[in-house]
Formats: sequence, structure tokens, C-alpha cells
Amino acid sequence: AQSVTQLGSHVSVSEGALVLLRCNYSSSVPPYLFWYVQYPNQGLQLLLKYTSAATLVKGINGFEAEFKKSETSFHLTKPSAHMSDAAEYFCAVWASGTYKYIFGTGTRLKVLA
Amino acid sequence: NAGVTQTPKFQVLKTGQSMTLQCAQDMNHEYMSWYRQDPGMGLRLIHYSVGAGITDQGEVPNGYNVSRSTTEDFPLRLLSAAPSQTSVYFCASGRGGQETQYFGPGTRLLVL
Repeated sequence: AQSVTQLGSHVSVSEGALVLLRCNYSSSVPPYLFWYVQYPNQGLQLLLKYTSAATLVKGINGFEAEFKKSETSFHLTKPSAHMSDAAEYFCAVWASGTYKYIFGTGTRLKVLA
Repeated sequence: NAGVTQTPKFQVLKTGQSMTLQCAQDMNHEYMSWYRQDPGMGLRLIHYSVGAGITDQGEVPNGYNVSRSTTEDFPLRLLSAAPSQTSVYFCASGRGGQETQYFGPGTRLLVL
């Protein structure tokens, strides 16, 4: 069965520091992987997605993620955190053959001034 | 385009009451789904639909019913509300399951 695991339910970084949010996936077939962001009291919106075209995927707001098959990882990074990046971030995989999206448990990012 | 809309935004129910959470999209998406979000548990899939007239169960379907009579609408029915159904409910739609999902603003449900 396909799944994703997000390491760290809470991450704090200083403004201007590197953001690294971890996601590992489990899939027996090439996966479709996604990162979504949820700001307080809002629905989720897409940050970026991997569909096998390129291993380094660039998204909105300066975020990017690298697909590493050998490590079964799809970590999200941003070189310099901004206060506006404070939100909850979800990794997700499209479970091929089941018509289901599987979401991780989320990582809440706090940005310290 | 309005995108994905959900009503109501907030609802309080008593145990045993029934209600319908409405979801509509104007993007002509075939795939629609319902999730519940609970602290520490991420989003869990309740039901989904791959087109009008076709629905299937997700991870946590018990206590919920859905139907999809049109492409635009995908209502979620709580048959007999229980306190365990207190949650935030999100509806989402996409061209296909592997495509970007567009989420509604959510419905906060409190069951007393």
C-alpha cells in the first residue's frame, strides 16, 4: 500500500534560516507526490507536485522539493524562511490504482523573528 | 470561477441529529472527495467520486453517506451525528485523482 510519513509534527526556524520539512513515501510504483500548505482557518492549496518529469520540483513562494528514489524521500525546502511561511504543510501521495489521495499527518512550521 | 464552495462554514449539532454538508465546484472536475481533519491525524479520506453516479468509500466512511447526481455537487450526509464526528470537513475536486486537488474553505462541525 502507498503511504507517506512526515517526520516532525512541529518545526521552528528563525526568519531567514533554511526551511526543511521531511517526507518519506512508500510506493511500489512510480509515485505522484504533492506538497500542500494550509494557512490558519483555510483550506489546503498546492505548493508543488512531482510527476516524474524532473527530480527537482519548484513550487510557489520559493519552495522546492527533490525526489530521491534511493531514499524514498520528497523533502520540502526553502532557502530563507519568511514570517508569512508560518503554516501547516502536508505531504501527499496519489495511490495509483485506488483512486485515493493519502495525506501525511502534517508539519506545523513556526517562524521566529 | 468560484472554485470549490462549502456550506455551512460552522455547524453545531446534537447527538443523533442528521445534516448534510454541501460541496459544489464550477471547474467541471470529475474527481471529488471529502476529508476530515483532526489534530495530529492529518486529513483522512471519507468518500470520493470519480464522476457523476460513481462513489466509493475512503479510509473512514462509517456514519457518512454521499451521492453524486451531478458533476458539480457532492454532498456529505451525517446520518446520526456522534461526538466523534466533531471535526473540520474539507471537500476537494480535481480533473483526476493524480492531478492537483482544489480544496474548499472547510466546515467546522461540533457535535454535542
